[in-house]
Amino acid sequence: GDSVTQMEGPVTLSEEAFLTINCTYTATGYPSLFWYVQYPGEGLQLLLKATKADDKGSNKGFEATYRKETTSFHLEKGSVQVSDSAVYFCALFSGNTPLVFGKGTRLSVIA
Amino acid sequence: NAGVMQNPRHLVRRRGQEARLRCSPMKGHSHVYWYRQLPEEGLKFMVYLQKENIIDESGMPKERFSAEFPKEGPSILRIQQVVRGDSAAYFCASSTDPNTEAFFGQGTRLTVV
Repeated sequence: GDSVTQMEGPVTLSEEAFLTINCTYTATGYPSLFWYVQYPGEGLQLLLKATKADDKGSNKGFEATYRKETTSFHLEKGSVQVSDSAVYFCALFSGNTPLVFGKGTRLSVIA
Repeated sequence: NAGVMQNPRHLVRRRGQEARLRCSPMKGHSHVYWYRQLPEEGLKFMVYLQKENIIDESGMPKERFSAEFPKEGPSILRIQQVVRGDSAAYFCASSTDPNTEAFFGQGTRLTVV
């Protein structure tokens, strides 16, 4: 079945450091790919998405590119802030089942 | 346009009691999804409902768990005879159709004591 694998956390970075959170997927067909963010005590918010190969999703300084050849959708940000501390979930939707999520990666940014 | 509303935000139940979790989807959304998040785990799909119909319940435990989305009113996730292992955050999401973005509620955190 469809699945998402993302790097284990927690990830701890200093403010203004570069962030990469790896995400790879397995799916039949051509899924849409998503990154969701969960702030402490809150629900999930859509951060960005890409619906086809080579699309780049971007929002709030975060970016991710849909790479079909490597089945990846890595999340990047050039300069993280303390306010980016949260749990980040990679997810896919292939049209057959509802959203499939990775296990989440906790990011802590220290000043 | 209010977002997805879940209540209660926190729920404490003793072992053996029943837990009822409510989800009001966004206005105009007729598709509802329930997910469970165990501590330090990702979100696991439980059930997908459309008004008055269960579309996919492949993630629901076979016993004690049920869900409904009536013609009027919120979607309800019901857990009978709760056990400690049911302690988790339960999230509801809604969408206009399954191919569009799903919006999540803030979740209900169930604690079984």
